[in-house]
Amino acid sequence: DGGITQSPKYLFRKEGQNVTLSCEQNLNHDAMYWYRQDPGQGLRLIYYSQIVNDFQKGDIAEGYSVSREKKESFPLTVTSAQKNPTAFYLCASSRSSGEGEYFGPGTRLTVT
Amino acid sequence: GQNIDQPTEMTATEGAIVQINCTYQTSGFNGLFWYQQHAGEAPTFLSYNVLDGLEEKGRFSSFLSRSKGYSYLLLKELQMKDSASYLCAVRNNQGGKLIFGQGTELSVKP
Repeated sequence: DGGITQSPKYLFRKEGQNVTLSCEQNLNHDAMYWYRQDPGQGLRLIYYSQIVNDFQKGDIAEGYSVSREKKESFPLTVTSAQKNPTAFYLCASSRSSGEGEYFGPGTRLTVT
Repeated sequence: GQNIDQPTEMTATEGAIVQINCTYQTSGFNGLFWYQQHAGEAPTFLSYNVLDGLEEKGRFSSFLSRSKGYSYLLLKELQMKDSASYLCAVRNNQGGKLIFGQGTELSVKP
């Protein structure tokens, strides 16, 4: 079955620690995206990648970093510089032709 | 600038029809998408419009008017399971990113 996987579903960290969220897809999609969603708000784009070894900042990239060494994988690191990291993080992918994005199940990160 | 507006919340009755509106302003337009998101879950794709007109898919239909910067999602024969947040998103010409509205929380009452 093709799809997008994110792990873990729930993640807890202490303030000041970096944490990496995984995202893997076997849909053979070129483009991958990371979004953040806060309660009662829409999705905000953190980073996106249209092709392997290339990525661009989204609207709220500060305090985050990504890598795209393989087509299937697009991990997101939430650094200690991110002022308010507690949120629901969603990874998505799409074919480069501009069709809709398919979302993974999300990771709910809580930092205390 | 880029902006997408949709109502924050709506309430409808089981079996009825509801229309969720979305207006947008973007620098370039390359398609409009509707997603459904149940609480605590990921958004799932509902519809895609790139040309003016109505796209029908079962109980759900989506309409687009590019000249008016306007779309709506029409849900017929509402069921309790349709209670969810409905997200309107527009793809612009700058890097193909999706810009999301804040979502409309729909509550379906018996």
